[in-house]
Amino acid sequence: LAKTTQPISMDSYEGQEVNITCSHNNIATNDYITWYQQFPSQGPRFIIQGYKTKVTNEVASLFIPADRKSSTLSLPRVSLSDTAVYYCLIFGAGGFKTIFGAGTRLFVKA
Amino acid sequence: SAVISQKPSRDICQRGTSLTIQCQVDSQVTMMFWYRQQPGQSLTLIATANQGSEATYESGFVIDKFPISRPNLTFSTLTVSNMSPEDSSIYLCSAGTGNEQYFGPGTRLTVT
Repeated sequence: LAKTTQPISMDSYEGQEVNITCSHNNIATNDYITWYQQFPSQGPRFIIQGYKTKVTNEVASLFIPADRKSSTLSLPRVSLSDTAVYYCLIFGAGGFKTIFGAGTRLFVKA
Repeated sequence: SAVISQKPSRDICQRGTSLTIQCQVDSQVTMMFWYRQQPGQSLTLIATANQGSEATYESGFVIDKFPISRPNLTFSTLTVSNMSPEDSSIYLCSAGTGNEQYFGPGTRLTVT
C-alpha cells in the first residue's frame, strides 16, 4: 500500500477555502485516493474519493494531477464545525484494508 | 451507506481480565476491520475480520491477545485478552464494501 504524507496541522478562519495536500509518490495504477474526516470522540467519516482529475460532492472537492503522486482536498468556506482531523488514504484495488497516516489537524478560528 | 454500532461504548477493566467488544452493522458488508486509536493519535489497523474464517492480523497483533470472531456478514467481536494498562485505548470497528468504509463510534477502554 502506498504511503501518504500530509501536513501535521493547518489553521484557517471561518469563510476561507482550505486546501490540504497529500503526497503519495508510490501510488499504484489501480489505487484510489480517499479522504476521511474525524471529529473528537467519533469514528472517521468518509468525505470523498477519486482516481484522477477532479471530483466534487456536497462536502468537498478533490483535485488529482495527471501523475497522481499527490492530491488536494479542498473545503470551500469552512466553518468552526469543520475543525477536525483529515486523513488521506490510498485504497489498493487488490485489497480493501485501510492504512491510516498521521492525518492533518485543521483548526478553524472565528 | 451503513450504520455501525459498538458495545460497550466505554469500560474500565482490571489488569489481567478480558473484554469483548461487539460490532453490529445494519446491512450485509463484505469487509469488517478492527482498529485501535490512542488519544490524539491516528488509527492503527489491528486485523481484518473474515467471515467464516480466521482473522488476518497486522504486524504486531496476534490472535492470542486479540481474538476476533465474525460469524456472519453483519456482526463481529474483538476480545482484548489478559489486559494491561498499555491496552488502554479506543477500539473502533469499521465495515464496508469496495473502497468506502463506515466506522463505529468506538469503545473507550481504560485498564487499571
